[in-house]
Amino acid sequence: AQSVTQLGSHVSVSEGALVLLRCNYSSSVPPYLFWYVQYPNQGLQLLLKYTTGATLVKGINGFEAEFKKSETSFHLTKPSAHMSDAAEYFCAVSLKAAGNKLTFGGGTRVLVKP
Amino acid sequence: GAVVSQHPSRVICKSGTSVKIECRSLDFQATTMFWYRQFPKQSLMLMATSNEGSKATYEQGVEKDKFLINHASLTLSTLTVTSAHPEDSSFYICSANKVGGSYNEQFFGPGTRLTVL
Repeated sequence: AQSVTQLGSHVSVSEGALVLLRCNYSSSVPPYLFWYVQYPNQGLQLLLKYTTGATLVKGINGFEAEFKKSETSFHLTKPSAHMSDAAEYFCAVSLKAAGNKLTFGGGTRVLVKP
Repeated sequence: GAVVSQHPSRVICKSGTSVKIECRSLDFQATTMFWYRQFPKQSLMLMATSNEGSKATYEQGVEKDKFLINHASLTLSTLTVTSAHPEDSSFYICSANKVGGSYNEQFFGPGTRLTVL
């Protein structure tokens, strides 16, 4: 079975500063990895995903994430935070062998200070 | 496109009544739809996987007789919370896989907030 751990349930950054959200996974085989963003009272929007190929993945809104197999990590970064980045972020994994079911991390709430 | 809608967006009901939530893929056909619940300030927990024309597969600990799922077409899945109680109050979110699309990408609906009084 796979699992996901997001370090830090809350992250506070200043506008213009680096955003770094940490995600570590546990899986018996290389999983597919995802980052989603959720704004209040809304569903989830896909930021980016890793399936195969290049380990540095670029997503929407200036976010990117790097798959590091040796560290079982998939941390999300953005060089310069905007006020509009304030939201909840979820890391998730899925396995083809598990019927493509997503397992989510606990989420990280990002607060952006002006 | 790849838009998923949910109806209603918000519902308040009395304890003991049943509530139906619809999940529709508006501009694509969905092979599989998933139902999640999310408690306040918590992550999403998968409740069940729904395939068109077959019985849903429920996750461990989810009562199939309480959370009835019907996937009658490639664009519609419904979740009925039967005999709802206050502890069923939650945010329910559905997602869908696109027929012919990337099998590992799910498109999420906007969610339905259920409050049981």
